[in-house]
Amino acid sequence: AQTVTQSQPEMSVQEAETVTLSCTYDTSESDYYLFWYKQPPSRQMILVIRQEAYKQQNATENRFSVNFQKAAKSFSLKISDSQLGDAAMYFCAYKGYGGATNKLIFGTGTLLAVQP
Amino acid sequence: DGGITQSPKYLFRKEGQNVTLSCEQNLNHDAMYWYRQDPGQGLRLIYYSQIVNDFQKGDIAEGYSVSREKKESFPLTVTSAQKNPTAFYLCASSIGDRRPTDTQYFGPGTRLTVL
Repeated sequence: AQTVTQSQPEMSVQEAETVTLSCTYDTSESDYYLFWYKQPPSRQMILVIRQEAYKQQNATENRFSVNFQKAAKSFSLKISDSQLGDAAMYFCAYKGYGGATNKLIFGTGTLLAVQP
Repeated sequence: DGGITQSPKYLFRKEGQNVTLSCEQNLNHDAMYWYRQDPGQGLRLIYYSQIVNDFQKGDIAEGYSVSREKKESFPLTVTSAQKNPTAFYLCASSIGDRRPTDTQYFGPGTRLTVL
């Protein structure tokens, strides 16, 4: 069974600085998708960025980028120029291909605090 | 505006009562999902539906029931058989083509508290 691990329960960053959130996963599949979702205090889950496993190029969305290391099964999120609005819980998630469901498998989350 | 709505935002239930959480989407998505979120445990799948009139159990379906009579709606009933129903419930939807590119989008959630 696939698992997703986020080993940092909490992180803190100064405004305007860069922070990296870690995520590792375990799977025997070769084709899959990885996601980072953000959950601010409103608790709405917002998609931040996604990465296709067969693409070697790391995904980027404005200030958010990933470091995808397929062999190491690592999928970290880098937030550049951190802003106060980035403060939230961040979840890493995995989705496989070809199963009976589009089930997302989530990690336990990293709570990011942004200090002014 | 296209999106997913959930109601109510907060719900209180007495022990032994069934309650129904509403989820509606106007994104024309075929697939819909219910997740439960508990502190320190991430999100876990309760039920999902790939198409109208069809739904499947997820990882923690015991004590829950769903229906999918319309494409836009996927209500979740928390029954009295659910031993620990206090949690945050999130509904999601996606196009439903079963490819890895099929991204799920979430509603704002319902906080259920059992008194």
